[in-house]
Amino acid sequence: ELKVEQNPLFLSMQEGKNYTIYCNYSTTSDRLYWYRQDPGKSLESLFVLLSNGAVKQEGRLMASLDTKARLSTLHITAAVHDLSATYFCAVDWRGGGADGLTFGKGTHLIIQP
Amino acid sequence: DTAVSQTPKYLVTQMGNDKSIKCEQNLGHDTMYWYKQDSKKFLKIMFSYNNKELIINETVPNRFSPKSPDKAHLNLHINSLELGDSAVYFCASSQEVVLSEQYFGPGTRLTVT
Repeated sequence: ELKVEQNPLFLSMQEGKNYTIYCNYSTTSDRLYWYRQDPGKSLESLFVLLSNGAVKQEGRLMASLDTKARLSTLHITAAVHDLSATYFCAVDWRGGGADGLTFGKGTHLIIQP
Repeated sequence: DTAVSQTPKYLVTQMGNDKSIKCEQNLGHDTMYWYKQDSKKFLKIMFSYNNKELIINETVPNRFSPKSPDKAHLNLHINSLELGDSAVYFCASSQEVVLSEQYFGPGTRLTVT
């Protein structure tokens, strides 16, 4: 069974600081996704990482994938309050069960002024 | 021009009732999914479905049944509702061939009393 672990699960940080969210997964996969969820809202796709060494950046967020280490990171640069949300990583594993995404538990990020 | 839509947005019902949640996507995708998000924000795949195959997560009770009248719709029918079914249910779609990210609907908050 595929397991996806995120850490930290809760992060409170100040504006202007940098931080990294980590996503480890237990089974070989080269398809990893990052989503953002605001309270009471749906999931918004942030990044799609489809190969080893993939790096993508959008604004203050940068995501990377190391398939050999089974690790993805979401780096936040000079955080601003608007980035407060819950961030999920998800792995696409076609090894059995329902084909779909296996999600981490999410990182609840609060950015304080 | 909503990509993935769900109705209703909120559903409050009593134990033992039968209810349905509707999902429609206008993206031309050929694969649709249902996810359950529990009170701790944990997301879990319930079903994935395309024109060829329905794949069911084995942990989903058989009270839950997806029904797809056509490629653009995947409805979720739930029989004999239980308190533990209270959650937010998300529909999603993707283009299987391209293996792109999944697009999520706005969610249906189900409360069973």
